[in-house]
Amino acid sequence: DADVTQTPRNRITKTGKRIMLECSQTKGHDRMYWYRQDPGLGLRLIYYSFDVKDINKGEISDGYSVSRQAQAKFSLSLESAIPNQTALYFCATSANDYSGIAQYFGPGTRLTVL
Amino acid sequence: ELKVEQNPLFLSMQEGKNYTIYCDYSTTSDRLYWYRQDPGKSLESLFVLLSNGAVKQEGRLMASLDTKARLSTLHITAAVHDLSATYFCAVDRTGGSNYKLTFGKGTLLTVNP
Repeated sequence: DADVTQTPRNRITKTGKRIMLECSQTKGHDRMYWYRQDPGLGLRLIYYSFDVKDINKGEISDGYSVSRQAQAKFSLSLESAIPNQTALYFCATSANDYSGIAQYFGPGTRLTVL
Repeated sequence: ELKVEQNPLFLSMQEGKNYTIYCDYSTTSDRLYWYRQDPGKSLESLFVLLSNGAVKQEGRLMASLDTKARLSTLHITAAVHDLSATYFCAVDRTGGSNYKLTFGKGTLLTVNP
């Protein structure tokens, strides 16, 4: 089984709809992240969480909210989707230490907002 | 604001040739990561560079970090088609805490027979 899973993998929705993207991990990592990837722009951090009670905004949090339901689960919500939120969304995890281990990425969710 | 620039953004090369991808960043950091992404896939960690002068090699790829010059390089030796992918560098802007990475825009590498 995959260490980091994301659901759904693909989603098409309409402007104004609420949508939730879910991420689950079995790596036992404390830290979890949500990124979006747009063509030609690399990845940008939306939110990150150190543990269930510690959630922080990233570079581009406007229009998004998150929930850390458990150590292993981190959800991203778009309260009212708009077309410029069409992107590839990645969940990532990392250990809560300073050893420099790379963040581990999930398979991604392709979201299209019409 | 930390800026990370990769050059080139597009690279088309022939099998068997050598080339280098550059990653420049604008503020002090001594941790840099290289990732690979195949089309439609997730990001896979290639190298973790944790100090000035760090050099890591895996197969035909070698990465290095010069924190004084704020520069990392990803050198490709004798390219093969399987290396075709997008390569990203990412800089840790938290002084070693590894929770805020700034990514470059990526280098799309195409290796032609």
